[in-house]
Amino acid sequence: GDSVTQMEGPVTLSEEAFLTINCTYTATGYPSLFWYVQYPGEGLQLLLKATKADDKGSNKGFEATYRKETTSFHLEKGSVQVSDSAVYFCALRSSGDKLTFGTGTRLAVRP
Amino acid sequence: ETGVTQTPRHLVMGMTNKKSLKCEQHLGHNAMYWYKQSAKKPLELMFVYNFKEQTENNSVPSRFSPECPNSSHLFLHLHTLQPEDSALYLCASSQVENTDTQYFGPGTRLTVL
Repeated sequence: GDSVTQMEGPVTLSEEAFLTINCTYTATGYPSLFWYVQYPGEGLQLLLKATKADDKGSNKGFEATYRKETTSFHLEKGSVQVSDSAVYFCALRSSGDKLTFGTGTRLAVRP
Repeated sequence: ETGVTQTPRHLVMGMTNKKSLKCEQHLGHNAMYWYKQSAKKPLELMFVYNFKEQTENNSVPSRFSPECPNSSHLFLHLHTLQPEDSALYLCASSQVENTDTQYFGPGTRLTVL
């Protein structure tokens, strides 16, 4: 079945540091890939997505590139801010309505 | 109210209690979802409703009973739960035509004693 594997957190960075959160997946066919973010006390919200190989999703300074050869969709940001502190979820959809999520990676950014 | 709201935000119940979780979406969506979020486990899809009809039951035990009276409201009725059912229960909604973009509520933190 489909599955998503994320790096375990927490990830703790200083403000303006470079961020990478790794995500790899297992799926049949050609899934669509997503990053969702959950800020403290709030529900998850879609951050970015990519629907085919080599596509790059981007939003709010975050980027992720759909790499079919390595089945990966790593999240990156060049300079994190304290306000980026949240839990980040990688997810995929291979068919139908069902999103398959990873376990989430908590990011804490220190001033 | 805007977006997706859930009540209560926190709930503590005994194993013999019966309680209900409520979700309401103000986005005009026609699909609604229940997810379970447990520590260090992937987010688990429980139920999907499209146009008020249940289209997915992801092998959820019968002690969880969903109800979708209309496209804006979704309930999760709970009875004879187990301590391992303690988790954050998230409701989400989307357009049936665009299930990629789901909007989540803040969740109900459930503790079963």
